[in-house]
Amino acid sequence: LAKTTQPISMDSYEGQEVNITCSHNNIATNDYITWYQQFPSQGPRFIIQGYKTKVTNEVASLFIPADRKSSTLSLPRVSLSDTAVYYCLVGGTRSNYQLIWGAGTKLIIKP
Amino acid sequence: NAGVTQTPKFQVLKTGQSMTLQCAQDMNHEYMSWYRQDPGMGLRLIHYSVGAGITDQGEVPNGYNVSRSTTEDFPLRLLSAAPSQTSVYFCASSNSMDTQYFGPGTRLTVL
Repeated sequence: LAKTTQPISMDSYEGQEVNITCSHNNIATNDYITWYQQFPSQGPRFIIQGYKTKVTNEVASLFIPADRKSSTLSLPRVSLSDTAVYYCLVGGTRSNYQLIWGAGTKLIIKP
Repeated sequence: NAGVTQTPKFQVLKTGQSMTLQCAQDMNHEYMSWYRQDPGMGLRLIHYSVGAGITDQGEVPNGYNVSRSTTEDFPLRLLSAAPSQTSVYFCASSNSMDTQYFGPGTRLTVL
C-alpha cells in the first residue's frame, strides 16, 4: 500500500502561486495520484488526478516526474478561500481497494 | 441531484448503545465507502462496497457493520458504541475508488 508524505502546514499570501509536494516512494505501477481539498466541517472535495507528467484543470495543476515517486499540486494565484487542508492520495481500483489518507497539508492563505 | 446525503448530522450516544448512520447517493455509483476522521487526522477507511450485495473491510472495521442491499444506500451500524468511536464519519461514493464524492459528514459523540 502506497503511503504518502506531505508537509504538515504551509503559509502563503493572496495572489501567490502555491506548490504542495507529496512523496509516495512505493507507488505501484497501476496507482493514480489524486488530490482532495477539505474545508472545516465538510467532506473532502476532489481537485485533480493524474498518472504521469502534467495535468491541468480550471483550479490546479498536477506535476508528476518520470519516476512517479512524488507529485506537486500547484494552485495559481491563491485567495483567502483556498485556506484548507489538502490531501494527496495514491491508489484506487486499478491496484487495490485500500486507500491511505495521510494527515494532509494545512494551507493558510494570508491577506 | 442531491449527490451524497448523510443522516443524522449530529448524534450523541451513551456507551453500549447501537445506532445506524444512513448514507444515500443518487448518482448511480457502484462504489461506496465509509470513513472516520479524528481531529487533526486524515480519513481512515472503515468499510467499502463495490456494488449491491458486496462489502469488504477497510483499515478500521472493528465495531462497525455494513450492508449494501441497493445501489443507492450504504448504512453503517455501530454495534455497541464506545468512546473511542467518537469521530466524524464520512460516506463517499464513486464510479471508481480513485475519484470520490463525499457527503457532509455525521459528527458522533459517545459518552
